[in-house]
Amino acid sequence: QVQLQESGPGLVKPSETLTLTCTVSGGSISDSAYYWDWIRQPPGKGLEWIGSGYYTGNTYSNPSLKSRVSISVDLSKDQFSLKVMSVTAADTAMYFCARRSRDGYNHFDFWGQGTLVTVSS
Amino acid sequence: DIQLTQSPSSLSAFVGGRVSITCRASQSIANFVNWYQHKPGKAPKLLIYTASVLQSGVPSRFSGSGSGTDFTLSISSLQPDDFATYYCQQSQSIPFTFGPGTRVDTK
Repeated sequence: QVQLQESGPGLVKPSETLTLTCTVSGGSISDSAYYWDWIRQPPGKGLEWIGSGYYTGNTYSNPSLKSRVSISVDLSKDQFSLKVMSVTAADTAMYFCARRSRDGYNHFDFWGQGTLVTVSS
Repeated sequence: DIQLTQSPSSLSAFVGGRVSITCRASQSIANFVNWYQHKPGKAPKLLIYTASVLQSGVPSRFSGSGSGTDFTLSISSLQPDDFATYYCQQSQSIPFTFGPGTRVDTK
């Protein structure tokens, strides 16, 4: 059974960089059949897709966040990471990592439990 | 971006009852819709993908239908474990987007 676990600081100051890591177990991040994605949910709001990483290093981001987001993969550790730069209170959210199928149907078949990140001074 | 709406935003139902949730897309997305169940503090769970395919391990009381712009998630006989929030997601094009969710609670 594939499991994903997010980790990182729960509090980030405005204008700083938010950095989160997702550790994958029960599967390999080098599996060519999957992308590795980040999704967030601000308090009381809906889910927002942030972006994807692939084992080749290719990444894809939501245009609404593209200039501030960086996603990377670490094949040796079966981890992938998210950086969001110049954060504001609007980046306060529950952040989820998820595995997405590469079969053309793009469904998220495994998710982490999420980690709450608060942006505040 | 493709916008998704869901109705109702919340509903109350009895155990054993039948529940239907509708998801509508702002443009045709063929069958590129997935459904998820989410409980507080837990990882969201994939229920249905490509509109009607039941994810492995998901009980058969869950079903999905629809194509184009209108989609439905149905639960044939609601169980205590099914009280949760349900989201649709379009997977036709980036950026992937989600519906606002439908909260199902006990009557």
